[in-house]
Amino acid sequence: GAGVSQSPRYKVAKRGQDVALRCDPISGHVSLFWYQQALGQGPEFLTYFQNEAQLDKSGLPSDRFFAERPEGSVSTLKIQRTQQEDSAVYLCASSVLDRGSSYEQYFGPGTRLTVT
Amino acid sequence: AQSVAQPEDQVNVAEGNPLTVKCTYSVSGNPYLFWYVQYPNRGLQFLLKYITGDNLVKGSYGFEAEFNKSQTSFHLKKPSALVSDSALYFCAVRGNSGYSTLTFGKGTMLLVSP
Repeated sequence: GAGVSQSPRYKVAKRGQDVALRCDPISGHVSLFWYQQALGQGPEFLTYFQNEAQLDKSGLPSDRFFAERPEGSVSTLKIQRTQQEDSAVYLCASSVLDRGSSYEQYFGPGTRLTVT
Repeated sequence: AQSVAQPEDQVNVAEGNPLTVKCTYSVSGNPYLFWYVQYPNRGLQFLLKYITGDNLVKGSYGFEAEFNKSQTSFHLKKPSALVSDSALYFCAVRGNSGYSTLTFGKGTMLLVSP
């Protein structure tokens, strides 16, 4: 079956522009996670959805970051007024059950955002 | 707060030799531990996990990992390395009670030479 897909794969934005990153999770997966991976670092948690409910957004670095999953499937991560420090790979992951479970997360290929 | 340490930025090993990629962790309570591998321009792929039970966990592609509670370690191992194992490896941890996010280490680059 299809894995997690993300689009676009690469995005170049001028500082101050808004961007929207899309994630299509594995069909039927309840949990959806967004991570930010800076160069040379491991992924860092941004936010978590259980179906359409955003249950944890503690990792979002500023109020310029916004995520939604309105129908409990596709999710969009939006970054307003992009800054150079936002340059990173944004990873989406999905999982079968809820956040407290032992189930592994399945990751998409990521969107590499470069802010110039 | 939970954390993961991968003390080696890079591990070099010759093909056919055994490999070890080190990971230590800190978490409240008992851990769920994971290893993921990342190939260039691709997302993380799940290798194996420790939840409970046997301390030696077997995973994909011949990899295994040994959970050591007293040393708070979860080292990744493989008896005989392949050139195709060359990639970036991440260890991750979450607590097993209540809610906690998955925390990743910085990653270790494994380079297997022919």
